[in-house]
Amino acid sequence: DGGITQSPKYLFRKEGQNVTLSCEQNLNHDAMYWYRQDPGQGLRLIYYSQIVNDFQKGDIAEGYSVSREKKESFPLTVTSAQKNPTAFYLCASRVIGTSKDTGELFFGEGSRLTVL
Amino acid sequence: GENVEQHPSTLSVQEGDSAVIKCTYSDSASNYFPWYKQELGKGPQLIIDIRSNVGEKKDQRIAVTLNKTAKHFSLHITETQPEDSAVYFCAASLGGNYQLIWGAGTKLIIKP
Repeated sequence: DGGITQSPKYLFRKEGQNVTLSCEQNLNHDAMYWYRQDPGQGLRLIYYSQIVNDFQKGDIAEGYSVSREKKESFPLTVTSAQKNPTAFYLCASRVIGTSKDTGELFFGEGSRLTVL
Repeated sequence: GENVEQHPSTLSVQEGDSAVIKCTYSDSASNYFPWYKQELGKGPQLIIDIRSNVGEKKDQRIAVTLNKTAKHFSLHITETQPEDSAVYFCAASLGGNYQLIWGAGTKLIIKP
């Protein structure tokens, strides 16, 4: 089955520690995204990537870092500089640049990070 | 920049009744308006979308309407069923890059 896999589903960390959230897709999508979801708020874009070895900051990139060394993988690191890291993190991907590019985002099931 | 407001934040309807969720956007150049459904513990999933050259689109029990003059669009769900219980998000984007600005979400509760 094609899809997006995020891991871990739940993660607890102490304040001041960096954590890395994994996102893998086997949909052969070029574009990948990281969103943060907080209660009562819409999804906010952290980073996105449209091609391997290239990525752009979203609206709330401060305190986060990403890499895109492979088309299938787009890990997100939540650094100790992120002031309020407790949140639900969603990874997504989509087709771009072809006739199949409808704008539809395909999401993983999310990772819930709690900083103690 | 673009801003999307979504109302209500919570909607409770009797099973079998209709549900309507409304969103307004600020940038008149926005041209793509998707609706996503998020079930508990899952990622959002696209259920319907509409582009600015169309006023209404239907897919079985769900429909979306777009009023470009008033800059608002709505999701309509008819004959609601228990499996419709979820959080629904609207979004808007302008241009071909589909960078979305999201509404805050509506929790839809279907009462048996």
